[in-house]
Amino acid sequence: GAVVSQHPSRVICKSGTSVKIECRSLDFQATTMFWYRQFPKKSLMLMATSNEGSKATYEQGVEKDKFLINHASLTLSTLTVTSAHPEDSSFYICSAPPRQGFHNEQFFGPGTRLTVL
Amino acid sequence: GQQLNQSPQSMFIQEGEDVSMNCTSSSIFNTWLWYKQDPGEGPVLLIALYKAGELTSNGRLTAQFGITRKDSFLNISASIPSDVGIYFCAGLGYSGGSNYKLTFGKGTLLTVNP
Repeated sequence: GAVVSQHPSRVICKSGTSVKIECRSLDFQATTMFWYRQFPKKSLMLMATSNEGSKATYEQGVEKDKFLINHASLTLSTLTVTSAHPEDSSFYICSAPPRQGFHNEQFFGPGTRLTVL
Repeated sequence: GQQLNQSPQSMFIQEGEDVSMNCTSSSIFNTWLWYKQDPGEGPVLLIALYKAGELTSNGRLTAQFGITRKDSFLNISASIPSDVGIYFCAGLGYSGGSNYKLTFGKGTLLTVNP
């Protein structure tokens, strides 16, 4: 089946630094990828929709200047948390549909645990 | 915005028992999905429902898409220890342009005692 990977799996950083998280589709091309964040014991909240070759679409309340998304190729989207603060500590998960337009068939990555000290 | 109410929040059951959980929505979805998430992992799709009234099974799992398109339930029969995890319902809705997005319920934490 379709596989989505994320790197790193966990990262610890100091407050004020920036962190980049990669999401890769390993055996398919993804024109669209989705970024979610999940707080402990909470649901997944969609942050943004990443479209290859164009600007990401951010959900209401998500700061686009703080969470920079770049979808430069059909197999890679990156999320950069800029000037991270402790409240940005969370579990970040990406997903991608293996067939263009079939957004119901999203495969999720294993997630990235971000801890900001 | 769209909200999904999922219940129960948590369940503690004995191995072999059946489990039922459900989701309701304030608005209509054209697709309902059920996911399972293990600790420290991303969600894995269990069942997808595409038509109102549809009843679909996947092994010991059975899910139904409500007639009103505003609700869905998931049943797990004869639970086993590896069923432990968090189960999420999700509705797929149109978000503009050519994009659709998933709205997730708050999850049901299932604990199975051997």
